[in-house]
Amino acid sequence: DTGVSQDPRHKITKRGQNVTFRCDPISEHNRLYWYRQTLGQGPEFLTYFQNEAQLEKSRLLSDRFSAERPKGSFSTLEIQRTEQGDSAMYLCASSYLGGGSFGPGTRLTVL
Amino acid sequence: KNEVEQSPQNLTAQEGEFITINCSYSVGISALHWLQQHPGGGIVSLFMLSSGKKKHGRLIATINIQEKHSSLHITASHPRDSAVYICAVALDAGGTSYGKLTFGQGTILTVHP
Repeated sequence: DTGVSQDPRHKITKRGQNVTFRCDPISEHNRLYWYRQTLGQGPEFLTYFQNEAQLEKSRLLSDRFSAERPKGSFSTLEIQRTEQGDSAMYLCASSYLGGGSFGPGTRLTVL
Repeated sequence: KNEVEQSPQNLTAQEGEFITINCSYSVGISALHWLQQHPGGGIVSLFMLSSGKKKHGRLIATINIQEKHSSLHITASHPRDSAVYICAVALDAGGTSYGKLTFGQGTILTVHP
């Protein structure tokens, strides 16, 4: 198992464009989490899935953000009409009862 | 007030020094994690604690559940230990130690040769 992977690792976009990130968790992990980390801060929770069900969403997740995990495996996080304030590192993590792991993150820069 | 507070925010040390990073939290938890983040963003899990003390190489983590406090110690620090160290707690009422995490703001450690 290669661990949690995220794609792309870096994304530069212009304000107003839509972006989509992908997270592939460790295969036996039933829970998947998205976090956002801005410069100089610790990560903040955005949302999480248990299998394909999205069980919780943070107030940070505005209407422009949507996340899916259609078959309970990989997940996508889409940001519509990006704003400069969306510039951050987007981290994915997966877990099961006995363990968890983080992905390498996707760094988003909105110009 | 943040639910998880770390101190210090920045720490500079000379190679070989003993280092302590502290973490205090204000809520009941199922587990506390110490994480390491290098430039570039990847996060590595160092320890997961629900009680007592754990040791791995030159790293030691302790937790006092009654006082809601944890410490991460690095003995004989080395420049390669330079990184951001983050404390995170699992508040999952279901008791899942690797559930949704609430993070401290991180401690930036720089170890000079």
